Amino acid sequence: QQPVQSPQAVILREGEDAVINCSSSKALYSVHWYRQKHGEAPVFLMILLKGGEQKGHEKISASFNEKKQQSSLYLTASQLSYSGTYFCGTAYGGSNYKLTFGKGTLLTVNP
Amino acid sequence: DTAVSQTPKYLVTQMGNDKSIKCEQNLGHDTMYWYKQDSKKFLKIMFSYNNKELIINETVPNRFSPKSPDKAHLNLHINSLELGDSAVYFCASSQDWGASGVETQYFGPGTRLLVL
Repeated sequence: QQPVQSPQAVILREGEDAVINCSSSKALYSVHWYRQKHGEAPVFLMILLKGGEQKGHEKISASFNEKKQQSSLYLTASQLSYSGTYFCGTAYGGSNYKLTFGKGTLLTVNP
Repeated sequence: DTAVSQTPKYLVTQMGNDKSIKCEQNLGHDTMYWYKQDSKKFLKIMFSYNNKELIINETVPNRFSPKSPDKAHLNLHINSLELGDSAVYFCASSQDWGASGVETQYFGPGTRLLVL
């Protein structure tokens, strides 16, 4: 089941903050966040595990709300280099591990 | 020091042709994947191999056949190409198949396939 990402797109000025959400209707085991720049491969940002862990990566952090089956990605003081499409990939556990990706959130950071 | 590499980078071909895409990883990972990303950027898994054994086989036409000669290589052969096969195909690898769902996947640069 494909997770739902919101918003679909967001435009920021450099220095502004943004939040991207990833929701699932099925119980999540883990959420993986990736960023993809135009014409490039998705690049791994971080993994969130069930249990509500919050992880950080410089000015990008994320949380996992097990009750809501939702993960949020927080981009603080955005930089031009943050522009790209952000994907969440969800894993539901079980014997065959696979990631199911959301449709992505296009983030544009302008000067 | 490319971690996951794919060839070719671009592939333009006619409908009905057969083509192959190759993927190699030098990370020492046990698991490799093929993803298809369509024009709307939807990234969908197609296949996964763990230690040369097929472990994920999504609903993909039989025209697509993966082959893993060894742990470091995963190839994708496509028969009788159709217009709808036009997409970017990404190879990825992870340390293990991650039954715990915590394995990071590293993506190759992608192969842009255009079927005319």
